[in-house]
Amino acid sequence: QKEVEQDPGPLSVPEGAIVSLNCTYSNSAFQYFMWYRQYSRKGPELLMYTYSSGNKEDGRFTAQVDKSSKYISLFIRDSQPSDSATYLCAMSALGRDDKIIFGKGTRLHILP
Amino acid sequence: DAGITQSPRHKVTETGTPVTLRCHQTENHRYMYWYRQDPGHGLRLIHYSYGVKDTDKGEVSDGYSVSRSKTEDFLLTLESATSSQTSVYFCAISEGQDGYTFGSGTRLTVV
Repeated sequence: QKEVEQDPGPLSVPEGAIVSLNCTYSNSAFQYFMWYRQYSRKGPELLMYTYSSGNKEDGRFTAQVDKSSKYISLFIRDSQPSDSATYLCAMSALGRDDKIIFGKGTRLHILP
Repeated sequence: DAGITQSPRHKVTETGTPVTLRCHQTENHRYMYWYRQDPGHGLRLIHYSYGVKDTDKGEVSDGYSVSRSKTEDFLLTLESATSSQTSVYFCAISEGQDGYTFGSGTRLTVV
């Protein structure tokens, strides 16, 4: 079983819809959870960062962590064509060694 | 990408030749990483560094070496390039648990 599982998509939704992106993980030591957005031919950029369980909201984006189920989500409200990108979940455990484990990414297309 | 640059942005090289990719940062971050990104595999860690002259292997380090003689520079060398090393290479930097900042990538083609 891979440490982090993420459906590669592609996921196509109409403009204005709510988008739900998800990852599951197996390592219960993970404490820090992130979402990165990667546009075509660009490097990933940090979108959301949460610690432990709970929700975090930033504008149209909400990150949700359920440690009991080892499941994280990213919700995008009022989706826009500019949200079309690949979204990578990522996570790490506490400690000096702060290597981050990435999911393979979900390709998202927002249809105008 | 602010504070981190990769060079070259594109390179085509022949099988068997050595290739060096450069990552330069102006953020004075302690940690630096080299990843490769391939369809179906996502981001895979090649090597990382936690300080000057302190480096360690990642999950796909065979055929690659790194050096970090200054805080700001992290070099990735393909000792003898093979077609399987055709990929997009990303450098990333971090300080503590704040997540990574990635460079814009180097697209390498080995022919």
